[in-house]
Amino acid sequence: QITLKESGPTLVKPTQTLTLTCTFSGFSLSTSGVGVGWIRQPPGKALEWLALIYWNDDKRYSPSLKSRLTITKDTSKSQVVLTMTNMDPVDTATYYCAHKPGIAAAHNCFDPWGQGTLVTVSS
Amino acid sequence: SYELTQPPSVSVSPGQTAKITCSGDALSKQYTYWYQQKPGQAPVLVMYKDSERPSGIPERFSGSSSGTTVTLTISGVQAEDEADYYCQSADSSGTYFYVFGTGTKVSVL
Repeated sequence: QITLKESGPTLVKPTQTLTLTCTFSGFSLSTSGVGVGWIRQPPGKALEWLALIYWNDDKRYSPSLKSRLTITKDTSKSQVVLTMTNMDPVDTATYYCAHKPGIAAAHNCFDPWGQGTLVTVSS
Repeated sequence: SYELTQPPSVSVSPGQTAKITCSGDALSKQYTYWYQQKPGQAPVLVMYKDSERPSGIPERFSGSSSGTTVTLTISGVQAEDEADYYCQSADSSGTYFYVFGTGTKVSVL
């Protein structure tokens, strides 16, 4: 059974850097094709894909947020870390991490997801 | 930027059929995936590769694709199907970025 759980601060101040950790079990990020992605959802709004890291350390970022995002992995700890710089109140959202089952076009989805963590940006 | 467009809301009576559309330029080239999200919960994958149903998803959920529009159909809607539904796909190459639809609220009257 694959499970993921997000952790990090619930409140950050404007201009600060957000660091979120996704700790997972039931799969290994050393398995060929596997990836972990981050998605966020502002209150009452739609989902927004942020970033993705693959087993081979290949990384993908949202074009609109690329300059602010960094995704890394620690395979030995079964963790993926997302950092987002220069936080703003509009970045207030629930942040989810999710498993990506493979690199093929048939696997361009996220399943399952973590429970999410709400991050509020306010002074 | 690449966008996937969905109707904001769909209302349906129990036992009837709900159809949710998702439109995007690259959908003729890339598979579409659908997620169900109930209040306070994380999204759950209910359809992959346009029309494949993951294990555990009821048969009343089906998917289809035609050109740049894909459709999620819920036949014989039940009260428990009331939720937000999001489509998701990838850029035209399928390798650079991923995008979610605007979301559709399905209300069971």
